[in-house]
Amino acid sequence: DQQVKQNSPSLSVQEGRISILNCDYTNSMFDYFLWYKKYPAEGPTFLISISSIKDKNEDGRFTVFLNKSAKHLSLHIVPSQPGDSAVYFCAASALGQGAQKLVFGQGTRLTINP
Amino acid sequence: DGGITQSPKYLFRKEGQNVTLSCEQNLNHDAMYWYRQDPGQGLRLIYYSQIVNDFQKGDIAEGYSVSREKKESFPLTVTSAQKNPTAFYLCASSVRDRGLYEQYFGPGTRLTVT
Repeated sequence: DQQVKQNSPSLSVQEGRISILNCDYTNSMFDYFLWYKKYPAEGPTFLISISSIKDKNEDGRFTVFLNKSAKHLSLHIVPSQPGDSAVYFCAASALGQGAQKLVFGQGTRLTINP
Repeated sequence: DGGITQSPKYLFRKEGQNVTLSCEQNLNHDAMYWYRQDPGQGLRLIYYSQIVNDFQKGDIAEGYSVSREKKESFPLTVTSAQKNPTAFYLCASSVRDRGLYEQYFGPGTRLTVT
């Protein structure tokens, strides 16, 4: 039972354009969401997060949007740069239940073309 | 420099042998985690520990064992009972920041069992 799903295994975007990565979840108890970026043979690095009390969080070129009614979140990267090419994982947690466990999606490989 | 170290980066073992993966952190984090990543899949939680001398099974704990004798260290043993041990193993730790939790990952160990 995949509680966090990233339905697009890969995405290709031209440099300078907007990259939009999507993530859906099924567990209504999730109240904290994160995006991680991962390069090959390295550990994931934290990118940005959002609490369920918000519907948007912005940090430089990265913006995460949360639609609780649709159980959907998205990561926008604008403008996209070659260094953004990586695998992006979304993750969710039920902080309200005191849990520190993260549930990860399968990842989306983003390729930024020059 | 504060961070999480995992050693070695690559590990090769013969089938039937137990092998222990090292994870050390000097971030003074209370919680530590072990995940495995398989090709095309997200990170799956093996074990986690929220405090010294305490740990809980994650989603795929069968065939693995852990210990948490020190705050800084959370070694993972892959036993011969683990049916598909070849994978990329990631260790993480977490801190509570402004009431939220973010996990920080080590560089990973790629284990190959033949």
